[in-house]
Amino acid sequence: RKEVEQDPGPFNVPEGATVAFNCTYSNSASQSFFWYRQDCRKEPKLLMSVYSSGNEDGRFTAQLNRASQYISLLIRDSKLSDSATYLCVVPGTGRRALTFGSGTRLQVQP
Amino acid sequence: NAGVTQTPKFQVLKTGQSMTLQCAQDMNHNSMYWYRQDPGMGLRLIYYSASEGTTDKGEVPNGYNVSRLNKREFSLRLESAAPSQTSVYFCATPGQTNTEAFFGQGTRLTVV
Repeated sequence: RKEVEQDPGPFNVPEGATVAFNCTYSNSASQSFFWYRQDCRKEPKLLMSVYSSGNEDGRFTAQLNRASQYISLLIRDSKLSDSATYLCVVPGTGRRALTFGSGTRLQVQP
Repeated sequence: NAGVTQTPKFQVLKTGQSMTLQCAQDMNHNSMYWYRQDPGMGLRLIYYSASEGTTDKGEVPNGYNVSRLNKREFSLRLESAAPSQTSVYFCATPGQTNTEAFFGQGTRLTVV
């Protein structure tokens, strides 16, 4: 099993829709997780951290399911500006601090 | 308040040429990473350095070498560039307790 796997996407949704991305991880000892957002041709930037069961920030909700080893990102009332690639990040193994998923692309359409 | 600085931002190389990508961070972090990102793909780890004096291979190290010059600087060298190394390269540094990772703005490299 890969350290971290994400829904491949792309997700094409209309404005106002609710969309959810999933990410599974293999290291059961992981304690902290992150969602990053990457705009086209830009560097990734932190969107949300998930340290316990979940985290909510406005229209964005991140949830953690330790038993099934996955985290999810829910976006409500999608905006055109939400169009981006969303990267799941989990703690790495050995001396590697973080492992990035391959990302899920979201395209919000008018 | 620069954070992570990468140079150059753009570069075009001919096949067989060499070059070094520079990365410097002023956040006093121990770890530094080099990633490449191809069009429509995720980040792939090339090399990383958990602390000054250590470097480790990532997923795609072939064709690259790195140097952790000091705590601030981590350079990536292409000894003999190949068209397959055309990509966007990102340097990143995670926080001290595996918290937020900060990225440089990227280097867009084209090998012709």
